[in-house]
Amino acid sequence: DTAVSQTPKYLVTQMGNDKSIKCEQNLGHDTMYWYKQDSKKFLKIMFSYNNKELIINETVPNRFSPKSPDKAHLNLHINSLELGDSAVYFCASSLGAGEPRWSFFGQGTRLTVV
Amino acid sequence: RKEVEQDPGPFNVPEGATVAFNCTYSNSASQSFFWYRQDCRKEPKLLMSVYSSGNEDGRFTAQLNRASQYISLLIRDSKLSDSATYLCVVNGYSGYSTLTFGKGTMLLVSP
Repeated sequence: DTAVSQTPKYLVTQMGNDKSIKCEQNLGHDTMYWYKQDSKKFLKIMFSYNNKELIINETVPNRFSPKSPDKAHLNLHINSLELGDSAVYFCASSLGAGEPRWSFFGQGTRLTVV
Repeated sequence: RKEVEQDPGPFNVPEGATVAFNCTYSNSASQSFFWYRQDCRKEPKLLMSVYSSGNEDGRFTAQLNRASQYISLLIRDSKLSDSATYLCVVNGYSGYSTLTFGKGTMLLVSP
């Protein structure tokens, strides 16, 4: 069974569209994250939720809106997509907010904006 | 200065070689340190934690020098399957714990 699963795996869309990426973890973890890995391969945290509460919100355009309906799910909605949003987005989870080291990552969603 | 800096790659080595990766971090308040491995077009996976006294896991040895803010990973007897990008990761604290990733160093092991 996949511990952290993201859908879709690939997403190709036009500029200006709105899209969502879904993430689910079956590990019973309290904390979930969204990371972005750009073309230069830097992996940077975007958001973190702990028990459905937003605890980390890095400098991310407000076109990006995370939503956590329950602690096993963390979705990412992106409005008005831009070319620069093209990247791989990784969801991750960890046991608690104090232990991001034990982070399990999803397989990533490769977003291409054309 | 980037928060976590690593050797630029790629490193091309033959099977059986020993290879070392270096990493420096800028935040002296960083609390814990790790090496992650990322295969091509895959997600990062924790390879090992790095402890102050140095630690070993099979062919992999990690070292930490807090005074120099330097971390290293040594791989002995390289295997083809070791080919991947190795990410140096630092766990800092700014209200909540966060992981800061280096850009990674790619390793290519050839027959």
